[in-house]
Amino acid sequence: QKEVEQDPGPLSVPEGAIVSLNCTYSNSAFQYFMWYRQYSRKGPELLMYTYSSGNKEDGRFTAQVDKSSKYISLFIRDSQPSDSATYLCAMSEETSGSRLTFGEGTQLTVNP
Amino acid sequence: DGGITQSPKYLFRKEGQNVTLSCEQNLNHDAMYWYRQDPGQGLRLIYYSQIVNDFQKGDIAEGYSVSREKKESFPLTVTSAQKNPTAFYLCASSIGARNYGYTFGSGTRLTVV
Repeated sequence: QKEVEQDPGPLSVPEGAIVSLNCTYSNSAFQYFMWYRQYSRKGPELLMYTYSSGNKEDGRFTAQVDKSSKYISLFIRDSQPSDSATYLCAMSEETSGSRLTFGEGTQLTVNP
Repeated sequence: DGGITQSPKYLFRKEGQNVTLSCEQNLNHDAMYWYRQDPGQGLRLIYYSQIVNDFQKGDIAEGYSVSREKKESFPLTVTSAQKNPTAFYLCASSIGARNYGYTFGSGTRLTVV
């Protein structure tokens, strides 16, 4: 079983929809949680960063971490065609220089 | 602008050849990483280095080699021992002391011909 599970999709939504992307994990030592966005044939870019539990909002994006359930989410409000990309969750432990463990990525298409 | 530069963008390798992928960063980051990305498998760690002249194997190091002679540079060699090298290769770096996330390069697409 993978340490981080992410539904690969593909997910297709109409423009303006609210999108929910999710990951579950098994390692209770994970403390840093991130979401990356990757456009086709490009490198991933860091979208959201959260330490421990709670919510974080940045414009149309909201990241949620529920450590009790080992579950993280990324919400995209008023989705735009430019949001069409693959979204990867990533997480790591507290220890210094810890490696990131990535989910498989969810492919999202927002249709105009 | 600070960032990570990977070259070349596309690379073709013949059977039995070694090829080297370049990764250079000017972010003054201590740690650097190489990942391989395949459809349906996400990102898999090949090698990583947290300081100059030191590096560790990741989850899929067989058939690959690296060096870290300078802080800015972390080249990856795909050897002939790697039986299925066709993939998208990503280099990343991070500050290293604490995990604030990685900065990725734009990737190299390697194809065996």
